[in-house]
Amino acid sequence: KAGVTQTPRYLIKTRGQQVTLSCSPISGHRSVSWYQQTPGQGLQFLFEYFSETQRNKGNFPGRFSGRQFSNSRSEMNVSTLELGDSALYLCASSQPWGAGETQYFGPGTRLLVL
Amino acid sequence: DAKTTQPNSMESNEEEPVHLPCNHSTISGTDYIHWYRQLPSQGPEYVIHGLTSNVNNRMASLAIAEDRKSSTLILHRATLRDAAVYYCILRPAQGGSEKLVFGKGTKLTVNP
Repeated sequence: KAGVTQTPRYLIKTRGQQVTLSCSPISGHRSVSWYQQTPGQGLQFLFEYFSETQRNKGNFPGRFSGRQFSNSRSEMNVSTLELGDSALYLCASSQPWGAGETQYFGPGTRLLVL
Repeated sequence: DAKTTQPNSMESNEEEPVHLPCNHSTISGTDYIHWYRQLPSQGPEYVIHGLTSNVNNRMASLAIAEDRKSSTLILHRATLRDAAVYYCILRPAQGGSEKLVFGKGTKLTVNP
């Protein structure tokens, strides 16, 4: 079974631009979550989608948004990029049956904002 | 979100057992204890989880204190590939969210 895939793997943008990152979950998984990882703040939850609906949201500004498609693939968008948005963005998928279920993470997209 | 406390770093020698502790004194009765690890330049990967009883799988063992206020991840024979940051995470049993709350974790160094 193929794992979680994220594209692109690396990205360089300049301040003020916007960016869209893509995540393809494991086949059959309906829940997709996004995380931001920085050296200073560690791994922080951005949001979670299940059946095309945002089910939970972390404490990030409205510049960070996402969506999920009917095939469970998900995208996240960051508008008006700031230097502080430079980070590793991780996507995780799971079967949301409860707290005993595990999440499977992709390799991440490393975003550098200049 | 329930909080966990882990040492910032630990060191081990190859082929020796490693015991990674985690304190979670505010754990609720229905919180599961999950462990994930993150190898360099990779996303986190699931290691093991448990509720009350000790658990074993091919990667590790999880020992849970009787009062559930602490747990220990045990790697029986550390290899160089086990060098990673290990995260102890509490997950409510109620479901409704797949959110994981990561702390700083423990950075494990394995010496050859």
